[in-house]
Order: sequence, then structure tokens, then C-alpha cells
Amino acid sequence: QKEVEQDPGPLSVPEGAIVSLNCTYSNSAFQYFMWYRQYSRKGPELLMYTYSSGNKEDGRFTAQVDKSSKYISLFIRDSQPSDSATYLCAMKGTGTASKLTFGTGTRLQVTL
Amino acid sequence: EPEVTQTPSHQVTQMGQEVILRCVPISNHLYFYWYRQILGQKVEFLVSFYNNEISEKSEIFDDQFSVERPDGSNFTLKIRSTKLEDSAMYFCASAGSSYNEQFFGPGTRLTVL
Repeated sequence: QKEVEQDPGPLSVPEGAIVSLNCTYSNSAFQYFMWYRQYSRKGPELLMYTYSSGNKEDGRFTAQVDKSSKYISLFIRDSQPSDSATYLCAMKGTGTASKLTFGTGTRLQVTL
Repeated sequence: EPEVTQTPSHQVTQMGQEVILRCVPISNHLYFYWYRQILGQKVEFLVSFYNNEISEKSEIFDDQFSVERPDGSNFTLKIRSTKLEDSAMYFCASAGSSYNEQFFGPGTRLTVL
């Protein structure tokens, strides 16, 4: 079983739609959860960072963590063509210099 | 807004040659990382560096790889004798006092011929 599983997509939605992106994980040591956005041939850009189970909102983005189910989600409201990118979930343990373990990324296309 | 920078953006080298990839982390950050992403695959951890020493390294980070922070601002990744399978995007990342938030650079695309 992979440590982090993420559907690679592609996911195509019309402009204005609500997008739901998800990851599951198997390692209970993961305590911190991030979502990165990556445009083609660019570096990952940190979007959201969460620790506790529950929801965290930042503008059009909401990150959700359910540690009991080992399931995390990112919701994008009112999606825009500029949101078209690959979205990577990443997670880490409690060590200060701990590495990030990434999912494969979900490619999102928002169409006009 | 402060950002991580990396040079060069693209490096082409012959198999067996040494390459040095350079990174300037965000000023005042304390934790430094190298990751790589082979085309079409996920981002993979290589090494973390804190307090002038390696904190953790992956199985990929064998004796051919080394890291250095030579002058308090640059952070380098050296591959001593490149192999074809080293072709990938290499990303540098840094984290500050909020050590759980790692910020990535734009990457160096390494092509080994």
C-alpha cells in the first residue's frame, strides 16, 4: 500500500464549479498536511497547511482533514481557468526537519 | 515577497560528469531540503539539512550525492558522477521557524545525456 494515494485525474470542470480534491494516507505518523499547486515545469507553491482534524478556510480554498479516516481534501469554490494546474497533497510527521511525502498530484483543468 | 531561487534553470550534462545545483533559500530560514521529480512522477525527498548537517536522507541520496551550505546563503547539491536516471527536476525548499511550511524554488531541470 502506498503511503499517500491521490487520483491523478485529469479532472475537468467548468468555470465556477466547486472542485473537490482528495488524498488518503496509511501512515499514522503523518500529523501535518499541506496542499501545493504546481504549474507545468514550475516549483510547487504552498496553498494550505493544516494540522488538526477539521476545516481551514483561506479565500476560495478550504482544506479538510479527517485523521480518523486518514483522508484529506481540498475544496476550491468558484473555480477559475487560472486554477488549472496540478494539485499535490503532502504530509509530514512531527520532527522539525521532517521530509514531506507527496501524493502523485491531481491535474485540474477549469474550462471556460 | 521572499522566495527561494535556484540556478541554473536548466543544466545539460554528459553521463559521468559532476554537476552542482545551486539554491538561495529564503533569508532567515533554518531548514533546507532537496527534492526531485522525474518527469510524470511524484515529488520525492532527497535530503534535509539543519544546523550545518544532514538531518535525514532518502535511499536515493547515495554516495554520489552531497550537500553543502558554503557561505550562509547558498545551499548546493552536488552529483559526483551523473547517470542517465538522474535526469529530473530538482527542487530546493526551505522552512523557517514555522518549520512545517516548506517553500519551494522554481527548480533546476537536469538532463543527463
